[in-house]
Amino acid sequence: DVKVTQSSRYLVKRTGEKVFLECVQDMDHENMFWYRQDPGLGLRLIYFSYDVKMKEKGDIPEGYSVSREKKERFSLILESASTNQTSMYLCASSPYRQGGGYTFGSGTRLTVV
Amino acid sequence: QQPVQSPQAVILREGEDAVINCSSSKALYSVHWYRQKHGEAPVFLMILLKGGEQKGHEKISASFNEKKQQSSLYLTASQLSYSGTYFCGTSDSWGKFQFGAGTQVVVTP
Repeated sequence: DVKVTQSSRYLVKRTGEKVFLECVQDMDHENMFWYRQDPGLGLRLIYFSYDVKMKEKGDIPEGYSVSREKKERFSLILESASTNQTSMYLCASSPYRQGGGYTFGSGTRLTVV
Repeated sequence: QQPVQSPQAVILREGEDAVINCSSSKALYSVHWYRQKHGEAPVFLMILLKGGEQKGHEKISASFNEKKQQSSLYLTASQLSYSGTYFCGTSDSWGKFQFGAGTQVVVTP
């Protein structure tokens, strides 16, 4: 069964902390994506990667960075967490470079206090 | 610009049918449909490529009218398990993929 695994289901962090969200896929997909989902705002793309060490900004990259050192692993980094980054974070893997056809991870609900 | 979904919400009794629409102001290359149950991640249902094809997943089917830049999702003989939020996602000829805001579906006994 193909899977995208996110390391944490729930996280609580303090304002100003550096936060790492990890995502691993076993589908051998080139393309991986990070979204955040907020009530009323839907799913918004933060960053994506179509190859190892390659990254592209999505619609809301401010305050975030990413790392893709291995094909199967894509990490989202909050450099200095703020309360407005409290959200559900979803990692996805896709056979399509432009997006879509996603297999999502189960999500990480991050609360910044 | 994100695709527009309608209606925003629909309440059905078991066995009833419903249609969810997804439309775009741009020429579309593909349309994707997802369902998200409460507290879970979205699950991919199907993809439709331009060509007007229709696809199905269980008793859920969809059509894609590229001339109208619109796709419709048909929930037929709805079951309790169909409850959730349905998202369309569209990809245009420039390769930009965007999600719609979602349609909440509640199926009651």
